[in-house]
Amino acid sequence: ILNVEQSPQSLHVQEGDSTNFTCSFPSSNFYALHWYRWETAKSPEALFVMTLNGDEKKKGRISATLNTKEGYSYLYIKGSQPEDSATYLCAFRYNKLIFGAGTRLAVHP
Amino acid sequence: DTGVSQDPRHKITKRGQNVTFRCDPISEHNRLYWYRQTLGQGPEFLTYFQNEAQLEKSRLLSDRFSAERPKGSFSTLEIQRTEQGDSAMYLCASSTRGDANEKLFFGSGTQLSVL
Repeated sequence: ILNVEQSPQSLHVQEGDSTNFTCSFPSSNFYALHWYRWETAKSPEALFVMTLNGDEKKKGRISATLNTKEGYSYLYIKGSQPEDSATYLCAFRYNKLIFGAGTRLAVHP
Repeated sequence: DTGVSQDPRHKITKRGQNVTFRCDPISEHNRLYWYRQTLGQGPEFLTYFQNEAQLEKSRLLSDRFSAERPKGSFSTLEIQRTEQGDSAMYLCASSTRGDANEKLFFGSGTQLSVL
């Protein structure tokens, strides 16, 4: 059974704090690793698709790294803002996307 | 707006009733996925289509669930004889490519409550 684990389950930070989450996935037969952001009452939105070991992607204040050999990816948010409050999902690409349970981030003003 | 649209947004039904949801993907997208998400869990794969062909169906999906994508455009997901355990958010997503860089575009989901 392919398992994607995310930690922590939830996180509360103050505006301006930097934070990071972890996604663990099977290190064998790697194909791709996705990160999505899901805001309440909206659609999940793709942040990054990462395919190569050592990949680093950046979008504004959000960045992600990938280690396929050890099976983990980190998502970093620098200087968190209230609008960053959302659930962050990672997904391991097998022949379809297998999602983790997500990290729920709340950024307090 | 040319994103993925799902209808209805919310559905409340009584146990034993049949329900049908609709998904309209982004027009040029040939792949369409259905996922189900329950509280505290990530989206769980149900099935996917490439054009009108249903290429994979989750073993977790009972015979009460059926999905179609006639003419490779919109898709419907039907649940027959609903049970309380079917209560969940049903998400539809579409994409243009099936390679490693495939990115899914999601709809807002249909929230099903079975009483």
